[in-house]
Amino acid sequence: AQKVTQAQTEISVVEKEDVTLDCVYETRDTTYYLFWYKQPPSGELVFLIRRNSFDEQNEISGRYSWNFQKSTSSFNFTITASQVVDSAVYFCALSNSFFGAGSYQLTFGKGTKLSVIP
Amino acid sequence: NAGVTQTPKFRILKIGQSMTLQCTQDMNHNYMYWYRQDPGMGLKLIYYSVGAGITDKGEVPNGYNVSRSTTEDFPLRLELAAPSQTSVYFCASSSRPSSEETEAFFGQGTRLTVV
Repeated sequence: AQKVTQAQTEISVVEKEDVTLDCVYETRDTTYYLFWYKQPPSGELVFLIRRNSFDEQNEISGRYSWNFQKSTSSFNFTITASQVVDSAVYFCALSNSFFGAGSYQLTFGKGTKLSVIP
Repeated sequence: NAGVTQTPKFRILKIGQSMTLQCTQDMNHNYMYWYRQDPGMGLKLIYYSVGAGITDKGEVPNGYNVSRSTTEDFPLRLELAAPSQTSVYFCASSSRPSSEETEAFFGQGTRLTVV
């Protein structure tokens, strides 16, 4: 079975601080995909990044960066110089590549609520 | 540039009532999904569809039904509403299965309360 754990339920930081959101996953598949979604207070889910299991290269996009480590089954997300607009719930998700039962769903973590205080 | 549109945004139902949550997408995606999000929890898959006329159960299908008569629309039906169905419902679509390297596009959600 697949599982995604986001141990941090809520985090508060002061604006301009850096913050890292942790994501640990479990899967027996050798090929899988990892995602991060942002859910701002308005409620919609916004796609941020995807990463396949064969690509352990870290990625940076502006103030956002992602650290994927297969050895520790982690896919952590760092926001540098946080801003108030970063306040949201962030979800890590996992999908496998097998065709069949369960192959069409994303397994979501419970989310981490980030509050950036001005 | 509508993407995935859900209606209504909010609804209050009485126990035993029925309703249909509407979902439509204009991206010509074959794959569509319904998720529910309970407070403090991640999303759980209710039903999904791989194309018009084809649907299948997800992780938590009990109490719900779906149909997919067109590529664009994927309504979710609650027949006998129960308090346990109080949740936020998200519809999503993708061009390929979520098992492949493609993101799903989500609607804005429907907040349903059953009293």
